[in-house]
Amino acid sequence: DSGVTQTPKHLITATGQRVTLRCSPRSGDLSVYWYQQSLDQGLQFLIQYYNGEERAKGNILERFSAQQFPDLHSELNLSSLELGDSALYFCASSVTSSTGVGLDTQYFGPGTRLTVL
Amino acid sequence: GQSLEQPSEVTAVEGAIVQINCTYQTSGFYGLSWYQQHDGGAPTFLSYNALDGLEETGRFSSFLSRSDSYGYLLLQELQMKDSASYFCAANGGATNKLIFGTGTLLAVQP
Repeated sequence: DSGVTQTPKHLITATGQRVTLRCSPRSGDLSVYWYQQSLDQGLQFLIQYYNGEERAKGNILERFSAQQFPDLHSELNLSSLELGDSALYFCASSVTSSTGVGLDTQYFGPGTRLTVL
Repeated sequence: GQSLEQPSEVTAVEGAIVQINCTYQTSGFYGLSWYQQHDGGAPTFLSYNALDGLEETGRFSSFLSRSDSYGYLLLQELQMKDSASYFCAANGGATNKLIFGTGTLLAVQP
């Protein structure tokens, strides 16, 4: 158990719908990352937050958005869902936001499996 | 662009030693991490190399050569529970984002 929690564990929805995935980082971690894992694209970085502020963006679609709240939990919002959005969505957390300054190891949550029908 | 290539599958027997290679082309490279993922589970951190050379953590060791843009994960005394996918990942430096490799599925046979 990494200490990172994600809800829900599974989500089944229809095309065109909107869903929200939730992540609570490990106690003391200020940085949150979202990753998408699909069969054809592998594990891809989506977005990073640090202490409430967006820090980096990866291959995140415009239909997707995220935020980190004052209590440091984060939510990933996926809208106008398409069949291709079906994937495992992981949240990870670390203490720091930069590599090489220590305490930068990322710990992953159990993921949310999204199925779009 | 950024890419990290790994062999797609490796098979080995219990008790043996296996090496999983990773070659990379990334900008702003700070170091190489290795993660283990059992089917459908969360990636779990194994090792990190910031400098050239070998890092040893129990049965697992990881190596990095920046001049060759190459690294590997070495697993010794293989156990059945080591059957999983293994990913190398480049650390993104100022943002600490991870760029993952293509992943290697390790099958340990009795």
